[in-house]
Amino acid sequence: EVQLVESGGGVVRPGGSLRLSCAASGFTFDDYPLSWVRQAPGKGLEWVSGINWNGGTIGYADSVKGRFTISRDNAKNSLYLQMNSLRAEDTALYHCVRDSGTYSPPDYWGQGTLVTVSS
Amino acid sequence: DIQMTQSPSAMSASVGDRVTITCRASQGIANYLAWFQQKPGKVPKRLIYAASTLQSGVPSRFSGSGSGTEFTLTISSLQPEDFATYYCLQHNGYPRTFGQGTKVEIK
Repeated sequence: EVQLVESGGGVVRPGGSLRLSCAASGFTFDDYPLSWVRQAPGKGLEWVSGINWNGGTIGYADSVKGRFTISRDNAKNSLYLQMNSLRAEDTALYHCVRDSGTYSPPDYWGQGTLVTVSS
Repeated sequence: DIQMTQSPSAMSASVGDRVTITCRASQGIANYLAWFQQKPGKVPKRLIYAASTLQSGVPSRFSGSGSGTEFTLTISSLQPEDFATYYCLQHNGYPRTFGQGTKVEIK
């Protein structure tokens, strides 16, 4: 069974940093690209960042470019999102998602970890 | 970056109605378009990928069409369990973009 379990969320002040982690199991981790998708309370889905199987291809939404860094450790079956210079508008539930292949959409979603940016 | 314009943002419909939701891409994305359904408190569920391929286990009343810049999700006969919010996603490389969502409510 595919499982994606996020951790690392919490409350942080504007300008602060957080590092999200996603522990994956139930599939061959380095066969799949992965992404982070967020959803602010009561709002729609927003794709944040994606990474291919070996980290050689990475993309970011304009809203986070230069502030967030995605990475993965295939030896640990883990995905990460380093978030710096956090803003109130980054407040959201952050989901780790598995893309079903290169140039393919997500097929599995984690339940998410909540990030709240507030003074 | 590619922008996705989804319409309508909300709609009211009755059980048995035919429902159509549209997504327009700001530039051509071939058939790199997926549709998701999200119910309150749940993670999104993939309904359609490659613009028109039905995800395994999804009822055949759901269908997708389009290519290039215009895409459509159709529910042929709305059922009570279909009341939810629907999103399109373009996955033609990075960055990816979701549509704004369409909330389908009971009339």
